[in-house]
Amino acid sequence: DGGITQSPKYLFRKEGQNVTLSCEQNLNHDAMYWYRQDPGQGLRLIYYSQIVNDFQKGDIAEGYSVSREKKESFPLTVTSAQKNPTAFYLCASSVLRGNQPQHFGDGTRLSIL
Amino acid sequence: GESVGLHLPTLSVQEGDNSIINCAYSNSASDYFIWYKQESGKGPQFIIDIRSNMDKRQGQRVTVLLNKTVKHLSLQIAATQPGDSAVYFCAESLGQNFVFGPGTRLSVLP
Repeated sequence: DGGITQSPKYLFRKEGQNVTLSCEQNLNHDAMYWYRQDPGQGLRLIYYSQIVNDFQKGDIAEGYSVSREKKESFPLTVTSAQKNPTAFYLCASSVLRGNQPQHFGDGTRLSIL
Repeated sequence: GESVGLHLPTLSVQEGDNSIINCAYSNSASDYFIWYKQESGKGPQFIIDIRSNMDKRQGQRVTVLLNKTVKHLSLQIAATQPGDSAVYFCAESLGQNFVFGPGTRLSVLP
């Protein structure tokens, strides 16, 4: 069954700690994305990648980092520089970047201890 | 469940009635639009899309209407069922990145 898998579902971060959120897809999509979702707001783009070993900052990249070493995987690291990390994080993919549907994982809820 | 639906407008409909969810988009040059459904604790699920060269598109039990004159998008759900209860949001695109609306919570009453 093709899809996007995000893990863990819930994650807790201590002060000064970096945490990494996993995103894996078996849809053979070239483009992958990370979004942040806050209550009452639309999704905001953190980072995106159109191809392996390439990624670009989105609208709210500060305090986050990503890598794209494999086509299937696009992990997101929330660094200690991100002062307000509590949010629901969504990973998505699409065949290519552009005017086509993005398919989403079921998210990771990050909270501060 | 997730708190992503806090402070969202809510539409309550009786089971079996039709639902109409509205979205005002921001960029008159946007040329592609999507409706997503998001259930509590889950990721958004694609429902239907429409390109700007169309003003109506139908799917299974759903219809999307696009009014470019007033930058308005609507999602109509026929014979609303309990399983339709969720947050619905629209997304607009101009070739590259999407802009997502905050959504509307649909509550189906028995």
